[in-house]
Order: sequence, then structure tokens, then C-alpha cells
Amino acid sequence: QKEVEQNSGPLSVPEGAIASLNCTYSDRGSQSFFWYRQYSGKSPELIMSIYSNGDQEDGRFTAQLNKASQYVSLLIRDSQPSDSATYLCAVLSGGYQKVTFGTGTKLQVIP
Amino acid sequence: SAVISQKPSRDICQRGTSLTIQCQVDSQVTMMFWYRQQPGQSLTLIATANQGSEATYESGFVIDKFPISRPNLTFSTLTVSNMSPEDSSIYLCSVVGMNTEAFFGQGTRLTVV
Repeated sequence: QKEVEQNSGPLSVPEGAIASLNCTYSDRGSQSFFWYRQYSGKSPELIMSIYSNGDQEDGRFTAQLNKASQYVSLLIRDSQPSDSATYLCAVLSGGYQKVTFGTGTKLQVIP
Repeated sequence: SAVISQKPSRDICQRGTSLTIQCQVDSQVTMMFWYRQQPGQSLTLIATANQGSEATYESGFVIDKFPISRPNLTFSTLTVSNMSPEDSSIYLCSVVGMNTEAFFGQGTRLTVV
């Protein structure tokens, strides 16, 4: 079983719609959860962090965490073509500063 | 957030040669991390670079192939040794911030021919 799992996509949404990206993880001791955006040919850029159950909102982005279900999601409201990128879910293992990345979901926002 | 400078940004190398990648951070950090991202894949941790001790390598990665130096709390190097085309990848340096988030350098795009 992979430690961090994501659908590879591509996920296609029309401009202005809500994009929903999902991630599951296997280590129940994980404490910190992150979403990164990676444009083609660029390094990952941190867009959201979440540490406790519930929702964390930042502008058009909302991260949701459910530790009981070992599930993290990212919602992007009012999706823009500039949001088209690969989104990486990352999890910090409990007790050790090792960040494990999912394989990423490619998002395409159609104008 | 930490500012990480990584160089070179890209290189094309002959098989059998070695390339050393440098990573400089604008603040002192205990651990630095080296990742590899092969084409179309996610990030895979190569090793953790600890200041004052040997690097800790992940399964599948060995010191002879990827020697790492960590002479102080702001600098590290990763060498890709005896390169083959399979080593063509993006190599990324990373540090963990105060809130446990990971920050990345710009990456080194390596092509082995």
C-alpha cells in the first residue's frame, strides 16, 4: 500500500467551477498535511497546510482533514486556467521530519 | 519561509561522469533533504543530510551513488556519481520550516546522455 495516494487525473473542470482534489494516507501517526502546486518544469510550491481535523481556508483554497478516515482534500473555488497544474498531497510522518508525497493529481481548468 | 538557492539549475552530462549539486539556505536548519523527481513521477526522498553526521539514505539509494556533504547548517551538496541515462531527473533540495512545512529549491534538471 502506498503511503500517500492520489488519483493521477487529469481532472478537468470548467473555469469558475469548484475543483476537488483528494488524498488518503496510511500512517495514522501523521500530524501535518500539505498541498503543493507544481507547474510543469518548476519546483513544488506550498499552497496549504492543515494540522487538525476540519477545514482550513485561504482565499479560494480550502483544505479539509479527517484523521479518522485518513483523508485530506483540497477544494479550489472559482477555478482559473492559471490553476492548471499538478497538485501534490504531502504528509509529515509522526515523530520524524520526513515528508512523503503522493503521486500528484493533474488539474486542467478549461476556459 | 526559508529561501533556498540551488545550482546548477540544469545540466547535460555524459554517462559515467559525476555532477555535484549545491544547496544554500538563508537560515540555519538542522536537517536538509534531497529529493528526486523522475519524469512524470512524484518526489522520492533520496536522503536526509544531517550536519555533523553522515546522511541517512532511503531504501534504494546508497552513499556510493549519491554522496552527500553537510559542512554547516546552511549548506549541503549532493553528488550524482557514475551517471547513466536512468539518472536523468529533477533533483530538489528541501528544508522543513518552523511549522513543519517543506520548502524547496528551484531544482536541478539533469539530463544524462
